[in-house]
Amino acid sequence: DGGITQSPKYLFRKEGQNVTLSCEQNLNHDAMYWYRQDPGQGLRLIYYSQIVNDFQKGDIAEGYSVSREKKESFPLTVTSAQKNPTAFYLCASSIAGTGRGNYGYTFGSGTRLTVV
Amino acid sequence: GQNIDQPTEMTATEGAIVQINCTYQTSGFNGLFWYQQHAGEAPTFLSYNVLDGLEEKGRFSSFLSRSKGYSYLLLKELQMKDSASYLCRYKLSFGAGTTVTVRA
Repeated sequence: DGGITQSPKYLFRKEGQNVTLSCEQNLNHDAMYWYRQDPGQGLRLIYYSQIVNDFQKGDIAEGYSVSREKKESFPLTVTSAQKNPTAFYLCASSIAGTGRGNYGYTFGSGTRLTVV
Repeated sequence: GQNIDQPTEMTATEGAIVQINCTYQTSGFNGLFWYQQHAGEAPTFLSYNVLDGLEEKGRFSSFLSRSKGYSYLLLKELQMKDSASYLCRYKLSFGAGTTVTVRA
């Protein structure tokens, strides 16, 4: 069955550490997205990619980095420059990006990151 | 990103109807999505309105007016399992979500 997989489910980061969150999809979707959700709040866009080897900053990209070397994979690195990284991180994919229309998202199950 | 407004919380009784409004700054003719999110889980798709008007899908209906930048999600015959957060999405942006609590 096709789907989108995020790992790990829970992640603990020490102060000053970089950590990488994995997101893999086998849906043959062109576009992938990373969102952050804080308690009681909606989803805020970190980065998105509409095609391999290309990505754009979202509303809250500072302290994060991404890569899109393969269509299936869109890892997110939370760097030490992100001062308040504790949150629920959601990866999503869609058939195509917003430049070609308006498409529904398939979400991964999320990664809960905690700074210890 | 987009400025998308939803009420923060709503409470209703089992079997009742609740309407969740969503307003946004419209640009172009993109439609609008609604998602349901239970605590600690990823959002799941509920509805997508690409044209103006009402879309009905079982107990859930969604309305869109693109020119007014306005949508609502109507939940009918509320059940306890409908207690969740409901998020509207326009293009890449989400509203903050409306937490619906269903009481017996």
